[in-house]
Formats: sequence, structure tokens, C-alpha cells
Amino acid sequence: DAGITQSPRHKVTETGTPVTLRCHQTENHRYMYWYRQDPGHGLRLIHYSYGVKDTDKGEVSDGYSVSRSKTEDFLLTLESATSSQTSVYFCASRDRTMNTEAFFGQGTRLTVV
Amino acid sequence: DQQVKQNSPSLSVQEGRISILNCDYTNSMFDYFLWYKKYPAEGPTFLISISSIKDKNEDGRFTVFLNKSAKHLSLHIVPSQPGDSAVYFCAAENHGGATNKLIFGTGTLLAVQP
Repeated sequence: DAGITQSPRHKVTETGTPVTLRCHQTENHRYMYWYRQDPGHGLRLIHYSYGVKDTDKGEVSDGYSVSRSKTEDFLLTLESATSSQTSVYFCASRDRTMNTEAFFGQGTRLTVV
Repeated sequence: DQQVKQNSPSLSVQEGRISILNCDYTNSMFDYFLWYKKYPAEGPTFLISISSIKDKNEDGRFTVFLNKSAKHLSLHIVPSQPGDSAVYFCAAENHGGATNKLIFGTGTLLAVQP
């Protein structure tokens, strides 16, 4: 399995506070992704990165920003957390896109109260 | 509007029988498709994939079929085992795009009854 870890694994935060989730991979993968999983919606792409400092929006990017200053780290920031951002967040990485799979982290359960 | 849809939220199958999970997509530019399995409290894990140049790909008990004209793919599991009970996600992407968004579906919860 690819070495991809997410931190923290669980977090409870208050509405209006900023939150940063970290994804760290040790595989030197070029592509990294952030998803959220919600009942009835499956996995929805928030933001993704196709290289250091190269990022783009996904399907549900409002209220989220990302940064990738190093190949191994992809940070997801909720600028001002809202209750609608309560979810399970998954990070994934892959070496290239042609005929390869993405490897997922264990997820971060975020609760905004 | 979701580009990848799995219209059956859940499926129950007897052990030893075939499980068929379906996935529909709307973007005709998608040319690579993947299936993932997810157990509770774990990240999704890759199962099988198919390129649009093929209409079938097989790996052990798992077979994926692609019908490009219908924009439909399906995952067959034969024979089904209790350990296959999980949420299954299909995913799609366009390799020809400038960047490669990997878009997932809504998931189907498979329950294999002993």
C-alpha cells in the first residue's frame, strides 16, 4: 500500500473557526486529491493537485482552499468552518493518471458544532 | 449535477450468487473507469479498472463491463462472499483533459448474506 496518511483523524471545531487538514504521502506521487464523503452524495471532489503549486477546483470547492508547497504534502483549509462542512474527508494520491489507481488515506472525521 | 451516478443505494445478495453493481455517467469524454471498495472507518481501496478502448476487464471474481454507447458500466462479482460486503464506488476521468479530475459516484452498499 502507498504511504499516505491524514492528520488529524478526528476533529471537533466550532463554527467560524479556521481548520486545516493535512495529507502526507511518501510515494513521490504527482497527483493528490481531497474528497468529502456524505450520505447520499458519495465521494465528492473538493480540490486536487497535479504538481507542486498546481491546484484546481473540484465539484464542491466553495469554502475550501488548498496548498501544495511540497510534493509530499497537500493541505486542505476550511477558512471559516460551517456545520455543512461536517463530513468525512479523504485524501488520495497517484503517480500518474494513465491506467493507474489512486491510493486513499484513512480519512478525517470533522465535526463542526 | 453529478457526472457519475450509482442509482442503487443498496443491494443484498446471497452468498455464492452473483452481485451486479451498476454505474452511469454523463460525460462522454470520460475514458478511464475504476471501481473501489470501502469498508466502514477505512479509506477506499482500488478493485478493478477499465479503459474505454475495452468493453470488459476481468480479475479473479471481479469483472467490469463497459457500454460506451449507453454510458454505463457494471461490476460483476461471482461468486459473492460475505467479505465482499462493503460500499462500492465507481469513478471516471478524462485522460485527454488538461488536468485529470477523478470523479466518483454516489456508492452502492452491498450486503452479502451468508
